[in-house]
Amino acid sequence: DGGITQSPKYLFRKEGQNVTLSCEQNLNHDAMYWYRQDPGQGLRLIYYSQIVNDFQKGDIAEGYSVSREKKESFPLTVTSAQKNPTAFYLCASSISPLSGTSGGSTDTQYFGPGTRLTVL
Amino acid sequence: GENVEQHPSTLSVQEGDSAVIKCTYSDSASNYFPWYKQELGKGPQLIIDIRSNVGEKKDQRIAVTLNKTAKHFSLHITETQPEDSAVYFCAASRGWGKLQFGAGTQVVVTP
Repeated sequence: DGGITQSPKYLFRKEGQNVTLSCEQNLNHDAMYWYRQDPGQGLRLIYYSQIVNDFQKGDIAEGYSVSREKKESFPLTVTSAQKNPTAFYLCASSISPLSGTSGGSTDTQYFGPGTRLTVL
Repeated sequence: GENVEQHPSTLSVQEGDSAVIKCTYSDSASNYFPWYKQELGKGPQLIIDIRSNVGEKKDQRIAVTLNKTAKHFSLHITETQPEDSAVYFCAASRGWGKLQFGAGTQVVVTP
């Protein structure tokens, strides 16, 4: 069963602590993304990665960090520098034109179920 | 950068009626326009998308129209059913990777 998984579903953090959100996909996609969603707002791009060992800042990267050591995994760390981290975090993946993979649309992004982070 | 505006923010329709959500975009180079449906507490699911070389696309009860000149695109849902109740997001992109999302429309279908 192919798809994107995110864990945990709910996460609670004390102020001043770093926390890492997991995102795994078995769709053989090279590109992966992290979005933040606040109530009543659209999704905002935090970081994205077109290929293993490479990633780029999105529109709201401050206070976040990522790594991309494996094709299947793109973990997001919410650091203590993020002033307002309480939000719903969504991971997505897509085919990357850099990968040379044929077929499908390189634009189409598929989303995981999300992680709701609450800072206590 | 790209800016996407979405209207209305909430939409209440009677079951069986049609629902229309409209989005405008600012970047004339945008060429890909997906629509996502998000149920409460879940990730968004792609329901339909359209590219700039097409003016309209249909998939059963769902259709999307694109007016490149006016830089707006719309989602049309016909014969609405209670299971259509969700938040719908439009998005725009000039190439893969950086989707710019609208703020979302809460659709409520009442029996």
